[in-house]
Amino acid sequence: GAGVSQSPRYKVAKRGQDVALRCDPISGHVSLFWYQQALGQGPEFLTYFQNEAQLDKSGLPSDRFFAERPEGSVSTLKIQRTQKEDSAVYLCASSLGGLAGVGFYEQYFGPGTRLTVT
Amino acid sequence: GENVEQHPSTLSVQEGDSAVIKCTYSDSASNYFPWYKQELGKRPQLIIDIRSNVGEKKDQRIAVTLNKTAKHFSLHITETQPEDSAVYFCAATNDMRFGAGTRLTVKP
Repeated sequence: GAGVSQSPRYKVAKRGQDVALRCDPISGHVSLFWYQQALGQGPEFLTYFQNEAQLDKSGLPSDRFFAERPEGSVSTLKIQRTQKEDSAVYLCASSLGGLAGVGFYEQYFGPGTRLTVT
Repeated sequence: GENVEQHPSTLSVQEGDSAVIKCTYSDSASNYFPWYKQELGKRPQLIIDIRSNVGEKKDQRIAVTLNKTAKHFSLHITETQPEDSAVYFCAATNDMRFGAGTRLTVKP
């Protein structure tokens, strides 16, 4: 079946522009995560959804970052007034179950969106 | 939240040797510990995981050990092959924080 998909795969934005990154999780997956991965670093947690509820947004670096998953499926990560330090690969992952307890399931990652801010 | 530390940051071994990567975590409530492999330009892929009710899990040349008392877990790769060369990440739930990664190079 189809895996996690993300679009666009590459995005170049001029500093100050707004961008929107899309994630299509695996159908039926309850949990959806966004990560930011700088070159040579591990994925840094940004935010987590369980269905349409955003349960954790503690990793969002500033109020310029906003994520939504209005119908509990597709999610969008929006970055307003992009800055050069926002340049990174943005990874989306989904999993069948929720966090915590024995119900945690494997995360499946999308291919990422490489954002370059010039 | 969870704090995950991973060592070493780089590891170079000869083909056929073993490789060990270690992670420590801070949240004693964490109960799921996956390991991901990420090749250059590709997405992270789960290679093995362990839950807190077991101490060791093995899958062919890959094994993971968990010490809950000491709050550390390790990835063991035996009989390494050049195609094992990649960056490996550990993570610890309950909030899926990743370690900084280990770049493994297997020299033929």
